[in-house]
Amino acid sequence: QQKVQQSPESLSVPEGGMASLNCTSSDRNFQYFWWYRQHSGEGPKALMSIFSDGDKKEGRFTAHLNKASLHVSLHIRDSQPSDSALYFCAASETGNTRKLIFGLGTTLQVQP
Amino acid sequence: SVLLYQKPNRDICQSGTSLKIQCVADSQVVSMFWYQQFQEQSLMLMATANEGSEATYESGFTKDKFPISRPNLTFSTLTVNNARPGDSSIYFCSSRVTTNSDYTFGSGTRLLVI
Repeated sequence: QQKVQQSPESLSVPEGGMASLNCTSSDRNFQYFWWYRQHSGEGPKALMSIFSDGDKKEGRFTAHLNKASLHVSLHIRDSQPSDSALYFCAASETGNTRKLIFGLGTTLQVQP
Repeated sequence: SVLLYQKPNRDICQSGTSLKIQCVADSQVVSMFWYQQFQEQSLMLMATANEGSEATYESGFTKDKFPISRPNLTFSTLTVNNARPGDSSIYFCSSRVTTNSDYTFGSGTRLLVI
């Protein structure tokens, strides 16, 4: 079973619009979350991490974590064509090794 | 954050041969991770490599097929043995400096097995 589930699989928003991505961990050992973005031909790059309940805002990006349900979301306001990419939710475990497990990803297309 | 340099960037090899991928960190890191990514799909964790000990492999990945070395705190190699077309994918190394920092990734090695 996939430990990290993401939805939707793909998303299209107009330029200037809001994009909302969702993620859930099915394993309570994985409760530290990251959002990564990967443009075609590049390696994934960390957008932001969130470890505590509530919201975390960094520029146009806001993440929200509910630790009770292990649900995390990412909201991108004022979406730009350059935001078009593959977005991954990733979760790390609480042990010493803290390996990072990725969801299947959400493809975001921002229409100019 | 740590910077990771991989080489080669891409390679083409014949079925049945072996290929070695190198990952160099610009600072010392405790753990290095290796991931496999098929085109436009998720990143699958292959193994965790700590200095001076055997790598720990995830389900579906074995030491015989993907041996990993970690001779010091800034270097790791991943070997793909007896390469098959199904191994054609992108391989990434990853690490982080502290337990609170982001995991960074190398630029990836694109492997095509023909």
